[in-house]
Amino acid sequence: DTAVSQTPKYLVTQMGNDKSIKCEQNLGHDTMYWYKQDSKKFLKIMFSYNNKELIINETVPNRFSPKSPDKAHLNLHINSLELGDSAVYFCASSQWYQGAGGETQYFGPGTRLLVL
Amino acid sequence: DAKTTQPNSMESNEEEPVHLPCNHSTISGTDYIHWYRQLPSQGPEYVIHGLTSNVNNRMASLAIAEDRKSSTLILHRATLRDAAVYYCILRDAQKTGANNLFFGTGTRLTVIP
Repeated sequence: DTAVSQTPKYLVTQMGNDKSIKCEQNLGHDTMYWYKQDSKKFLKIMFSYNNKELIINETVPNRFSPKSPDKAHLNLHINSLELGDSAVYFCASSQWYQGAGGETQYFGPGTRLLVL
Repeated sequence: DAKTTQPNSMESNEEEPVHLPCNHSTISGTDYIHWYRQLPSQGPEYVIHGLTSNVNNRMASLAIAEDRKSSTLILHRATLRDAAVYYCILRDAQKTGANNLFFGTGTRLTVIP
């Protein structure tokens, strides 16, 4: 069973469209994340979310919004897509444990978004 | 989060050991040293982490300097499958809840057959 899954794997769309990327984790974790990896391969956090708080990277445009229907899912909605949104988007999840030394994050396979 | 510094790239021959260095001179007392790697066209994956003592697992070993200002990830016998970008990341073990990973540029490891 895949621990963290994302759909779709590839997404090609036109500028101005609205799209969603889905993420599901079956690890029972309480925290989920979205990361963006641009063409230069820099990997940056966009959002982190658990049942208590949503932390938004302030550099993320408000066209991006995470939506979590339940603890196992964190979907990413993107409105009015722009060329610069083309990137690989990774979902991740983790569970904090006392004494674990910082929780381990488990990443999905990525969604490759191309905006034309 | 405290910053880490890694070489941009390294090469290793297949079947040889690889030592990937990381400097973290501003590490705090509650920071753990985590290593992740990203294989081509895949998401990052956890490799190993430690606080003060050296650590071993099935994937690698982590050697931590006595002053904790540097560490070294050791792959005992590099295989072609180990070709990846390796990231050294500091995590504050006291932070609960949403706790982001801050990826630097990492070290791109090339394994030569």
